[in-house]
Amino acid sequence: GESVGLHLPTLSVQEGDNSIINCAYSNSASDYFIWYKQESGKGPQFIIDIRSNMDKRQGQRVTVLLNKTVKHLSLQIAATQPGDSAVYFCAESSMDTGRRALTFGSGTRLQVQP
Amino acid sequence: DGGITQSPKYLFRKEGQNVTLSCEQNLNHDAMYWYRQDPGQGLRLIYYSQIVNDFQKGDIAEGYSVSREKKESFPLTVTSAQKNPTAFYLCASRMMEAEAFFGQGTRLTVV
Repeated sequence: GESVGLHLPTLSVQEGDNSIINCAYSNSASDYFIWYKQESGKGPQFIIDIRSNMDKRQGQRVTVLLNKTVKHLSLQIAATQPGDSAVYFCAESSMDTGRRALTFGSGTRLQVQP
Repeated sequence: DGGITQSPKYLFRKEGQNVTLSCEQNLNHDAMYWYRQDPGQGLRLIYYSQIVNDFQKGDIAEGYSVSREKKESFPLTVTSAQKNPTAFYLCASRMMEAEAFFGQGTRLTVV
């Protein structure tokens, strides 16, 4: 399928290495954060989420870190595999706005070299 | 299987035509969303609906219209007023304060 995000920042890692993808957000009232993975020509898939009352959450091979002080979110992928190659988006929402729609960052392309 | 279904996968529009993109979900989610995605950008919110018979404009609503007559369905019409409609359109649904589930998208091209 056609690539999305032709001009996205790219992170290139070797298979088996750990990957760290970063995201900055601007709304200090955001209280819910999600990481999505998007493969070419497909809809985004949920990876992991975190609420603002936490600063770390772990899943299978993935960890999300939240630093509310500097409004920064990161996704760590352990033992990166070729199947992890995709575009990764962070998203945020806030009950405060009443809108509750997810606002997406611009994304990072992860390329895993075998 | 529970999920969210978008159709068609590919859609071609002539200049001046209105086209409607379908989005159906059987997840019993209250909220539904339409996003537009262009190369090099993230997802931008077009319209959203948090309950049947109610919807609100998102950040880029001009040239689009929606309806929410049933909980399961949230069709998006791309009107002739949308001057640059070529894009990848994504529909999502969500229970409050949880992750959104996305369809597989519709790629719209103006010919």
